Amino acid sequence: AIRITQSPSSLSASTGDRVTITCRASQGITSYLAWYQQTPGKAPELLIYAASTLQSGVPSRFSGSGSGTDFTLTISCLQSEDFATYYCQQYYSYPWTFGQGTKVEIK
Amino acid sequence: EMQLVESGGGLVKPGGSLRLSCAASGFTFSSYSMNWVRQAPGKGLEWLSSISSSSSYIYYADSVKGRFTISRDNAKNSLFLQMNSLRAEDTAVYYCARDRTVAGTPTGMDVWGQGTTVTVSS
Repeated sequence: AIRITQSPSSLSASTGDRVTITCRASQGITSYLAWYQQTPGKAPELLIYAASTLQSGVPSRFSGSGSGTDFTLTISCLQSEDFATYYCQQYYSYPWTFGQGTKVEIK
Repeated sequence: EMQLVESGGGLVKPGGSLRLSCAASGFTFSSYSMNWVRQAPGKGLEWLSSISSSSSYIYYADSVKGRFTISRDNAKNSLFLQMNSLRAEDTAVYYCARDRTVAGTPTGMDVWGQGTTVTVSS
């Protein structure tokens, strides 16, 4: 199975900050990577697919980059509603696997 | 509005069985592959199983292979997960999720249910 290492596991930031989360795959997955946001008690929501394509309705302050084994999610100007946990997920091959998650907390 | 609604969760003893259901509405269910994903209390997301639109292709995580069975009924817009030989470590919220498929290629899961809770305890 492809392992996804996500970092950091948590971070503290302030509204307006630029935030970066990274995922590294144990083998190349081309651009078959998605990012999700999850708030407490809710289901995950798809933010980005194909490593860098914004899902419809997602604010443009979210962006994704990378290919192969290294990927990044960037939130350019953190808003209050962005404090949540973020997960990356590879769909290059089964079994699909998720990163461990990054909890973005208020500083 | 596209919607997925899970049901069937509950409290079950170790070694017991449960059947989860996921009712789809607001989209052409028979055109999409579907998935089950779970989240143990305080833990991350774990993909469990996928089934293609016509049930021709089915995949499982090693953690549930041989114990869980995914199926679907396109006529009833429903997805199922039969869970046997349940263990304490299967305690989790179980979500069904739609594959966001573009030109036949999956691109993540874009529609999720609200989840149903399964607790395995004696």
